[in-house]
Amino acid sequence: AQSVTQLGSHVSVSEGALVLLRCNYSSSVPPYLFWYVQYPNQGLQLLLKYTTGATLVKGINGFEAEFKKSETSFHLTKPSAHMSDAAEYFCAVVIQGAQKLVFGQGTRLTINP
Amino acid sequence: NAGVMQNPRHLVRRRGQEARLRCSPMKGHSHVYWYRQLPEEGLKFMVYLQKENIIDESGMPKERFSAEFPKEGPSILRIQQVVRGDSAAYFCASSPQQGAAGANVLTFGAGSRLTVL
Repeated sequence: AQSVTQLGSHVSVSEGALVLLRCNYSSSVPPYLFWYVQYPNQGLQLLLKYTTGATLVKGINGFEAEFKKSETSFHLTKPSAHMSDAAEYFCAVVIQGAQKLVFGQGTRLTINP
Repeated sequence: NAGVMQNPRHLVRRRGQEARLRCSPMKGHSHVYWYRQLPEEGLKFMVYLQKENIIDESGMPKERFSAEFPKEGPSILRIQQVVRGDSAAYFCASSPQQGAAGANVLTFGAGSRLTVL
């Protein structure tokens, strides 16, 4: 069965520092991969997705993620954190042909001034 | 386009009462998903519906929970005889034809937060 693991339930960085949120998946076939962001008391908003093609995907708000098949990873990065990036981030996968999105447990990102 | 609309946004129920959560998908979307988010946890899949059909209910608790998506009107998630453990945020998402297959992006509503006293 497909699964998603996000390393680190809480990540704290200083404003202006690099943001790195880790996501690994388990699947025998390359899945479709997504990152969603959830601000307090709101729904989920899509940051970016990977389907096929270029393995480095750029999303909104300066975030990007790289699909690494050999490492079964899809880590999310942003070169310089902003206070407004404080939120919960979810990695998710859909196995090709499947019909549902499976989420990781989430990583809460805190930005220190 | 109003997006995915969920109501009520907040619902308080006493143990043993019924909770009904409604979800109107985005215009043109015929696939609806319900997810539950327990405090400090990620989103867990509950059920996937198309109009008048339940496609996948593998994440639904066996008792007290039911979902429907009628030909007309919103999708309804119904929880009978609620217990404290049902307190959670319930999110609805919709997608166009094919559902999540083909990497169609799910668009999420703002959620309904159920509190059981």
